[in-house]
Amino acid sequence: DQQVKQNSPSLSVQEGRISILNCDYTNSMFDYFLWYKKYPAEGPTFLISISSIKDKNEDGRFTVFLNKSAKHLSLHIVPSQPGDSAVYFCAASARLSSGSARQLTFGSGTQLTVLP
Amino acid sequence: NAGVTQTPKFRVLKTGQSMTLLCAQDMNHEYMYWYRQDPGMGLRLIHYSVGEGTTAKGEVPDGYNVSRLKKQNFLLGLESAAPSQTSVYFCASKRLIETEAFFGQGTRLTVV
Repeated sequence: DQQVKQNSPSLSVQEGRISILNCDYTNSMFDYFLWYKKYPAEGPTFLISISSIKDKNEDGRFTVFLNKSAKHLSLHIVPSQPGDSAVYFCAASARLSSGSARQLTFGSGTQLTVLP
Repeated sequence: NAGVTQTPKFRVLKTGQSMTLLCAQDMNHEYMYWYRQDPGMGLRLIHYSVGEGTTAKGEVPDGYNVSRLKKQNFLLGLESAAPSQTSVYFCASKRLIETEAFFGQGTRLTVV
């Protein structure tokens, strides 16, 4: 059973418009959420994160929103640029029961295509 | 500063063969992880390590073994490769007090 779900495998938007990528989670123990961006033949790179004590975090064109009651987070990119075309992974972090170890659980990813 | 480096980048194995994937990080990170990425499945955790000499199982550990004899290196072994282990493997590392993990460029493994 997937604890982190990205229900949209792909998304296409026009350059300059807003891209909204969604992510849902089921585990209430998750207390930190991250978005990673991945280009073909490269490893994922960290994009932006949010703690569960916040509902919004902004970094330039990227904003992440967290709705804890709905167990939902979203990544907004505005304005979208062709260079943003990549796979975006949502990840959630929880402290493991064994000591202080933390584990990242990833969603299945959303392929974003920004059309020029 | 190289970050996280994986060796090799590509490999083709025959069923039953063994191999070791090497992950090296130069950031003095305490935690290291091995993930596999399969279509529609995202990244799934195979094994992880919270420090030199310690390892633990992740979500999909069967068929793999790991070792962390040195803090900077995390090895992933396949003793008897199976076609189901065809995947892209990613290594990651992070500091103890941070949540962000840094990833290597991946190893594409095909088992025929």
